[in-house]
Amino acid sequence: KQEVTQIPAALSVPEGENLVLNCSFTDSAIYNLQWFRQDPGKGLTSLLLIQSSQREQTSGRLNASLDKSSGRSTLYIAASQPGDSATYLCAVKGGSSNTGKLIFGQGTTLQVKP
Amino acid sequence: EPEVTQTPSHQVTQMGQEVILRCVPISNHLYFYWYRQILGQKVEFLVSFYNNEISEKSEIFDDQFSVERPDGSNFTLKIRSTKLEDSAMYFCASTRDYTEAFFGQGTRLTVV
Repeated sequence: KQEVTQIPAALSVPEGENLVLNCSFTDSAIYNLQWFRQDPGKGLTSLLLIQSSQREQTSGRLNASLDKSSGRSTLYIAASQPGDSATYLCAVKGGSSNTGKLIFGQGTTLQVKP
Repeated sequence: EPEVTQTPSHQVTQMGQEVILRCVPISNHLYFYWYRQILGQKVEFLVSFYNNEISEKSEIFDDQFSVERPDGSNFTLKIRSTKLEDSAMYFCASTRDYTEAFFGQGTRLTVV
């Protein structure tokens, strides 16, 4: 059964710092991995999608990497801003499921202080 | 930009009542999903729907739950007799194929 873990659970950094969020998964037979942002009480906004054949994806100040064989992904945020404060979720698709469902980690709650 | 739309944004219901949560997926998407997130917990898969039938459901999705695509645009989740533990944020999602999933803003269900 696929399990997804995110470390750390919470992170507080001063504005301008570069930071890395970690995601690990137990079944390496994934189809893709997606990073989401969730603001308090709100929905999930897709940030980046990495297909299983890819090593990384970039969007603006965000860079996500994937090492499928070791079951790990990282989300790198460059030059963090207070507006980046939110919970970041990673989710994997595939493994033993062929219906496209996503299995989520518990998230990392990020606070960027001005 | 196309988006997944959910209504209502917040629903309060009495225990034992039936509720229907509504979703309008992105128009050319083929796969539809419901997830839920109990406060402070992980987002959990409930059910996937493709070609007008359920393709997978989780242990949570028992006989009290049902899904329907009554027309070409709506996708609904019905809970027949709500329990206190059904209180959660419910998210609808859709995908065109097995690529990027798009989520709605959620319906916060409060059972009192």
